[in-house]
Amino acid sequence: DVKVTQSSRYLVKRTGEKVFLECVQDMDHENMFWYRQDPGLGLRLIYFSYDVKMKEKGDIPEGYSVSREKKERFSLILESASTNQTSMYLCASSLQLSPNTGELFFGEGSRLTVL
Amino acid sequence: AQTVTQSQPEMSVQEAETVTLSCTYDTSESDYYLFWYKQPPSRQMILVIRQEAYKQQNATENRFSVNFQKAAKSFSLKISDSQLGDAAMYFCAYRPYGNKLVFGAGTILRVKS
Repeated sequence: DVKVTQSSRYLVKRTGEKVFLECVQDMDHENMFWYRQDPGLGLRLIYFSYDVKMKEKGDIPEGYSVSREKKERFSLILESASTNQTSMYLCASSLQLSPNTGELFFGEGSRLTVL
Repeated sequence: AQTVTQSQPEMSVQEAETVTLSCTYDTSESDYYLFWYKQPPSRQMILVIRQEAYKQQNATENRFSVNFQKAAKSFSLKISDSQLGDAAMYFCAYRPYGNKLVFGAGTILRVKS
């Protein structure tokens, strides 16, 4: 089975701190994604990566950056955390979008609170 | 812009009964995929069922089935013989070929014993 592991389930940070959220997948998937989940808004894509050192902005990239130095690891970085970044963050991976259907495999999520 | 709408923020069902979760989407594409994902409390999201738009036959997976109405752009999920383990947040998602998933806001399903 595919396993997507997020390093921290719960984090509490202060405004202005730099925050790293780590994600590792063990199935050699090309694509990796970072989503943000908020009540009433569903999942919104922050960034995704389709290969090592490649990244593309999603729908809400402002205030975030990412790093993918190795195929299995995709990191989300909040350079200067703000209270409006308090949320649940979900990492996901998938095989290539085409010709595969692009089914996503998710981690358990990281709940970040910024005080 | 492509959107996915889940009009029911919360639903309840009695154990062993049947419940239907609604989803509509807006697209100008003719070829795409549709998905239902399940997110149990404090657990990771998993795929429940998928439907290819070019297939007229509705997808089924054990107790889960969909009613796909392409012209109406509707994709509802039916859960038969509901079980306590079905309690979760359910997300409908749409994906055009070669592009990224778009998720709805989710429906919380509560199962009463």
